[in-house]
Amino acid sequence: KAGVTQTPRYLIKTRGQQVTLSCSPISGHRSVSWYQQTPGQGLQFLFEYFSETQRNKGNFPGRFSGRQFSNSRSEMNVSTLELGDSALYLCASESGWTGELFFGEGSRLTVL
Amino acid sequence: SQKIEQNSEALNIQEGKTATLTCNYTNYSPAYLQWYRQDPGRGPVFLLLIRENEKEKRKERLKVTFDTTLKQSLFHITASQPADSATYLCALFSMEYGNKLVFGAGTILRVKS
Repeated sequence: KAGVTQTPRYLIKTRGQQVTLSCSPISGHRSVSWYQQTPGQGLQFLFEYFSETQRNKGNFPGRFSGRQFSNSRSEMNVSTLELGDSALYLCASESGWTGELFFGEGSRLTVL
Repeated sequence: SQKIEQNSEALNIQEGKTATLTCNYTNYSPAYLQWYRQDPGRGPVFLLLIRENEKEKRKERLKVTFDTTLKQSLFHITASQPADSATYLCALFSMEYGNKLVFGAGTILRVKS
């Protein structure tokens, strides 16, 4: 079956702009989590959605938001971009039964 | 505060040897612990999950141990190959800190032929 798909794979923005990233989970998976990965901080949990509801949230400012649609696809949005938001943003889906996360290839965001 | 520690220095070993990676944690009572592999520019790939009541788990050349008294997990790759070169991440799931998976920073493994 198809894996987790993230779009776009690469993007460049300037400070102050906003960005929307998309994630299509594995078919049948209802849980989608988002992580930010930077060389200094490693993988940091952003939020998790399950059946269109945010089930969990990490310690990120309100500029980071997300949502999940009825088909389980998810988007995350970052407003008023800062240089420190440059990172690899990873989406992962889970079947809900095993605890195993299936990650996409990520969206590499560069903020200039 | 909670902390997950993995060897920050890269582990360099010779092909055919056993690689052993360490994951230590503090201020956690994890329900389970997972290991992932990540190649440069790619997303992590799940390898193994071990629960708090399990001591050891094996999968092909991989073995994970979990010592909740020492608060430590060891990840072994036997008969290592250059293709095993990657970053290995441990991750803990704990209900006491919000039911989410928290990752360590990872250890780079380099297997030389």
